[in-house]
Amino acid sequence: DTAVSQTPKYLVTQMGNDKSIKCEQNLGHDTMYWYKQDSKKFLKIMFSYNNKELIINETVPNRFSPKSPDKAHLNLHINSLELGDSAVYFCASSLTGNNQPQHFGDGTRLSIL
Amino acid sequence: AQKVTQAQTEISVVEKEDVTLDCVYETRDTTYYLFWYKQPPSGELVFLIRRNSFDEQNEISGRYSWNFQKSTSSFNFTITASQVVDSAVYFCALSGKYNFNKFYFGSGTKLNVKP
Repeated sequence: DTAVSQTPKYLVTQMGNDKSIKCEQNLGHDTMYWYKQDSKKFLKIMFSYNNKELIINETVPNRFSPKSPDKAHLNLHINSLELGDSAVYFCASSLTGNNQPQHFGDGTRLSIL
Repeated sequence: AQKVTQAQTEISVVEKEDVTLDCVYETRDTTYYLFWYKQPPSGELVFLIRRNSFDEQNEISGRYSWNFQKSTSSFNFTITASQVVDSAVYFCALSGKYNFNKFYFGSGTKLNVKP
């Protein structure tokens, strides 16, 4: 029944490693997003896909690569993890349209040792 | 430029008090949309309400009410008779007409409701 689900919920890893976070939504939405929430709770958009096409690509290091195999999935792969990547990453989805609310997953807490 | 300011970083109240969370926005769009989200201590982000710029009616949902005033570019959120379960970080967000679903979030207001 989960609307937007992310896995894993927690990710603890060493600096320099590569890791992926998966996101799936069953709401029938056609737009999906990745956000980063830092330790001060500030939410920053990273990427947005609409019907598998990249729409928003904020100033994010190219170590971060999103992949959308279909409308219901948006995965985030991170290469060469750095200490500053420690944060909570949220996936969200919505219907197309600036008036559409975004529905968020529960977040993935990434901790870099 | 789009911007949302939530000047109150943290508010503490005692249960049953009323509390208002402020949200001030900036936009040059004539059509835009405002949202409120709740992030409880468990961490998930929960959608609360959406308001269109052309609809200035205030809205009430149970103990929650929202006051939208275009003249002051504000979209404030009031919780009446607060409860401990209202403790959370609350975010206000803005979406303009031309920036394709991009949300501009405020920095959030942490509400502590003490028993």
